[in-house]
Amino acid sequence: SQKIEQNSEALNIQEGKTATLTCNYTNYSPAYLQWYRQDPGRGPVFLLLIRENEKEKRKERLKVTFDTTLKQSLFHITASQPADSATYLCALGETSGTYKYIFGTGTRLKVLA
Amino acid sequence: EPEVTQTPSHQVTQMGQEVILRCVPISNHLYFYWYRQILGQKVEFLVSFYNNEISEKSEIFDDQFSVERPDGSNFTLKIRSTKLEDSAMYFCASSGRGAANTEAFFGQGTRLTVV
Repeated sequence: SQKIEQNSEALNIQEGKTATLTCNYTNYSPAYLQWYRQDPGRGPVFLLLIRENEKEKRKERLKVTFDTTLKQSLFHITASQPADSATYLCALGETSGTYKYIFGTGTRLKVLA
Repeated sequence: EPEVTQTPSHQVTQMGQEVILRCVPISNHLYFYWYRQILGQKVEFLVSFYNNEISEKSEIFDDQFSVERPDGSNFTLKIRSTKLEDSAMYFCASSGRGAANTEAFFGQGTRLTVV
C-alpha cells in the first residue's frame, strides 16, 4: 500500500542546533516533493520544492534533499530558533501534470530556548 | 503580501444541512484547490479547479461535494447534506501555475463542525 511517513510525532531540539526531519514514502514515484510549515489552527505555508532530478535545494537556513533510490527526503533547519517551532509537512506530487499533492502526517518540531 | 482568504472561519451546522464554504484566491492565480484536515490527521486533497472545471478530484470528493467559481473572485465548496464525518478544517489554496512544480498558497481555513 502507499504510505508517506514522517519521523516521530514530535522532535525537540536545543536552540542553535540543526533540526533534521525525515519523509519516507512507499509505493510512490513522485515527480516533486514539497515541504510546508503549519502552525496550530492555520493553513500550511510553502517552504521549498524539490524535483526528482534534483539532489538538494537550499533557501536561507533551510535545506532539502531528495533521494529517489532511498525514497526519502530530508529537511534541515540550521541554527534553529524557537520561532521555528511548528509542524512540518512533506507533500508529494506524483506526476508532472498532477494538481494533487499527497501530504504526510507531519512532524511537530519544538525548539527549546 | 497577497493572501487567500476564507469565510467563515468557523461554521457549525446540523447534520443533513447544506453548507457553502467561501474562498477568495490570490487575484492573478488561475488554479484553485480544496483540501481538508480532520482534527489530528493529515491534510487531504479534495479537488482542483481550472478554467471553470474540475481538473482532478479525490475519492473523498463524492456527489455530496461541488465547487464553483460564481464570479471573478470567489471560489466555493458546497457540501449538500453534511454528515458528522465531514467535520474538519477545510483549506482553500491557489497557485499561479497548475503543474505540481509550483507552490500553493493556502488560506487560514474554515473549521466545519457538524452536529
